[in-house]
Amino acid sequence: DQQVKQNSPSLSVQEGRISILNCDYTNSMFDYFLWYKKYPAEGPTFLISISSIKDKNEDGRFTVFLNKSAKHLSLHIVPSQPGDSAVYFCAASKSGGSNYKLTFGKGTLLTVNP
Amino acid sequence: GAGVSQTPSNKVTEKGKYVELRCDPISGHTALYWYRQSLGQGPEFLIYFQGTGAADDSGLPNDRFFAVRPEGSVSTLKIQRTERGDSAVYLCASSKHRAAMNTEAFFGQGTRLTVV
Repeated sequence: DQQVKQNSPSLSVQEGRISILNCDYTNSMFDYFLWYKKYPAEGPTFLISISSIKDKNEDGRFTVFLNKSAKHLSLHIVPSQPGDSAVYFCAASKSGGSNYKLTFGKGTLLTVNP
Repeated sequence: GAGVSQTPSNKVTEKGKYVELRCDPISGHTALYWYRQSLGQGPEFLIYFQGTGAADDSGLPNDRFFAVRPEGSVSTLKIQRTERGDSAVYLCASSKHRAAMNTEAFFGQGTRLTVV
């Protein structure tokens, strides 16, 4: 039972355009969400996070939106750059004592074409 | 090194053999986590250490899997009687404080285990 779902295995965009990566979750106990970026043969790298008390968090070119009623979040990258090409994982956790235990989606491979 | 180091990078073993995977966390990080990423899946939590003790081992799939961190630094994940289904990338992460899986936690590059 996948509690965090990334339904698009891959996404291709042109350099300079917006990349939108989507993520859905089913467990209403999740209240902290993270996005990780992963290059081949490297470990995941933390990108941006959002707490359930917010609906938007922005960091430079990266913005994460959270829609709690829809149990949906999205990562926007504007403008997209070729170096952004990687696998992006959405992850969720519950605050409190077990917030180290992340539940990941399967990932979306983003390709940014020059 | 400055980051989390995992050795070996790749390990091929025969079904039924015993393997050990090593993780060197960032110096001074008290929290250490093991995750496993099977092909086509996202990482899955295995175990969390705070210092020398396993604070949460609820993600270990069965009793063939065991992990230690005897001096609160290096950790070893041990898998007995390996099965083909154990083939995955085993990821280790560490953080300075407990449960900081955000900007404060860093993953190693992983060990790719292949059981043939």
